[in-house]
Amino acid sequence: EVQLVESGGGWVQPGRSLRLSCAASGFTFDGYSMHWVRQAPGKGLEWVSSISWQSASIGYADSVKGRFTISRDNAKNSLYLQMNSLRAEDTALYYCTKGYSVVVPASPDYWGQGTLVTVSS
Amino acid sequence: QSALTQPASVSGSPGQSITFSCTGTSSDVGNYNLVSWYQQHPGKAPKLIIYEGSKRPSGVSNRFSGSKSGNTASLTISGLQAEDEADYYCCSYAGNNTFVFGGGTKLTVL
Repeated sequence: EVQLVESGGGWVQPGRSLRLSCAASGFTFDGYSMHWVRQAPGKGLEWVSSISWQSASIGYADSVKGRFTISRDNAKNSLYLQMNSLRAEDTALYYCTKGYSVVVPASPDYWGQGTLVTVSS
Repeated sequence: QSALTQPASVSGSPGQSITFSCTGTSSDVGNYNLVSWYQQHPGKAPKLIIYEGSKRPSGVSNRFSGSKSGNTASLTISGLQAEDEADYYCCSYAGNNTFVFGGGTKLTVL
């Protein structure tokens, strides 16, 4: 069974940093791309970032480019999101997700339960 | 990276068929056959119901079907059921290792 468990969320002041982690199990982690997707309270889904299986291909939403950094450790079956210069508009539930395919640019199939990030003074 | 355009809400009666639209541009929906659809019930994580425009993951009901024409993708639910009441989101690959979601459509089953 695929399991994605996020951690690292919490309350942080604007301008500060936070690092999210995602522990993956139940599939061959180093065979799939991974994504972070967020959802602000009461709002829709927003794709944040993705990383290919070997970290060779990385993409970011314009809203986080230059502030967030995605990374993975295939030896630890873990995905990370380093978030710097946080803003109030980054407040959201952050989901760790797995790409559905090893072949094409693959949007998420499995999702974790999310970790809540609140940016406020 | 502009969000794909989805109607805010749709409604239908049990047993009906209903279609959701998702409009993008020639840089995303129109350029790739890589549109996915997600169903999200309140307080739950999204669930993938369609990928690559029209393919269903294992276990997803064949009442869900997807298609695309030009820059617009569509999701159709046939034989509407009360349990289908949820938010529905489309997502497209947009090139350069980026993806974009639509704003979501709230389905109400009357």
